[in-house]
Amino acid sequence: GAGVSQSPSNKVTEKGKDVELRCDPISGHTALYWYRQSLGQGLEFLIYFQGNSAPDKSGLPSDRFSAERTGGSVSTLTIQRTQQEDSAVYLCASSPQRGRGQETQYFGPGTRLLVL
Amino acid sequence: DAKTTQPTSMDCAEGRAANLPCNHSTISGNEYVYWYRQIHSQGPQYIIHGLKNNETNEMASLIITEDRKSSTLILPHATLRDTAVYYCIVSLSGGYQKVTFGTGTKLQVIP
Repeated sequence: GAGVSQSPSNKVTEKGKDVELRCDPISGHTALYWYRQSLGQGLEFLIYFQGNSAPDKSGLPSDRFSAERTGGSVSTLTIQRTQQEDSAVYLCASSPQRGRGQETQYFGPGTRLLVL
Repeated sequence: DAKTTQPTSMDCAEGRAANLPCNHSTISGNEYVYWYRQIHSQGPQYIIHGLKNNETNEMASLIITEDRKSSTLILPHATLRDTAVYYCIVSLSGGYQKVTFGTGTKLQVIP
């Protein structure tokens, strides 16, 4: 079946511009995660959505970052007034989270963001 | 979430077994151990997970100690394509699931 997809695959923008990154999770997966990965670094948690619960935004680095998930499916991560330090790969993952160990995260290919 | 500790890097000869250790000494009874790997320029990929019994699938084997404070991922016959960063994480079963990925172990398979 279809996996997690993300768009665009690459994005180059100028400092100060806003960008929107999209994630299409696997159908039926109730949980959705956003991570950021800077060059040579590990995954940095950004935000987590689970069903209709309030999202965990504790990982968002500043108020320039926001995310929403419409209808429990597609998610958009928005970065306003981009800075050069925002350059990274943004990864999305979804999970069925049905309990009993069914919490595997399935990752998309990522969006590579470069802020000039 | 329980934290995990992994070596920064390891080398393994092609065709040999790669044994990647992970310490998770603060794991709780309802937390599973998950392993993922990330090949260069790709998103992380699920490998295997377990609660307390050893597990095996087509990719790898997972050995969890009896006290569950550590585990070892075994790639029985490493190939060059297994060169990647391997992440060990612990994750609650059901409910809220924020997990923390550390920096993982960089496995280099050498010809």
